[in-house]
Amino acid sequence: GAGVSQSPRYKVAKRGQDVALRCDPISGHVSLFWYQQALGQGPEFLTYFQNEAQLDKSGLPSDRFFAERPEGSVSTLKIQRTQQEDSAVYLCASSLVAHNQPQHFGDGTRLSIL
Amino acid sequence: AQSVTQLGSHVSVSEGALVLLRCNYSSSVPPYLFWYVQYPNQGLQLLLKYTTGATLVKGINGFEAEFKKSETSFHLTKPSAHMSDAAEYFCAVSTLLNNDMRFGAGTRLTVKP
Repeated sequence: GAGVSQSPRYKVAKRGQDVALRCDPISGHVSLFWYQQALGQGPEFLTYFQNEAQLDKSGLPSDRFFAERPEGSVSTLKIQRTQQEDSAVYLCASSLVAHNQPQHFGDGTRLSIL
Repeated sequence: AQSVTQLGSHVSVSEGALVLLRCNYSSSVPPYLFWYVQYPNQGLQLLLKYTTGATLVKGINGFEAEFKKSETSFHLTKPSAHMSDAAEYFCAVSTLLNNDMRFGAGTRLTVKP
């Protein structure tokens, strides 16, 4: 079966542009997570979905960041009016349930803001 | 909130030598602990996990880790390093009370021939 798929793999945008990053989780996985990974750092939690419900968005760094999962499957992370500090790898992960189940990660989207 | 600390951002071993990557956690409730490996330009791959039960857990590629509550540690070991083990390793913790998984800063493992 297919793993977690993220697109695009690489995205270059000019400062001030809006970007949208897509995540296709493993089929049947209820939980979906977004992380931001800065160069040389571990992933930092952004937000969590259980099916279509966004249960936790405490990690979103500003109101320019928005995530959705309208049908409980594919998720999109949108960043408005991008800034240079948004440059990072954005990782998506899915799992059957949260907490004690391992998360399965996609290969990430490397976002570069010029 | 829970957290993990990985001691040593870089570890270098010779091929065939013991690998020891250190992880200490902090949690006010019983933790769930994980080790992930990340190869360049790839996502994270699960090596092993501890949730409950046996404190010595075995994972893929010959890795294992031992949960020591008294020391709040979950160190990763492998008896004999292989060149293909060179990668970035992340320790992570979650709990029943939190939705997010907290990662350490990572340890880059280099294997010398």
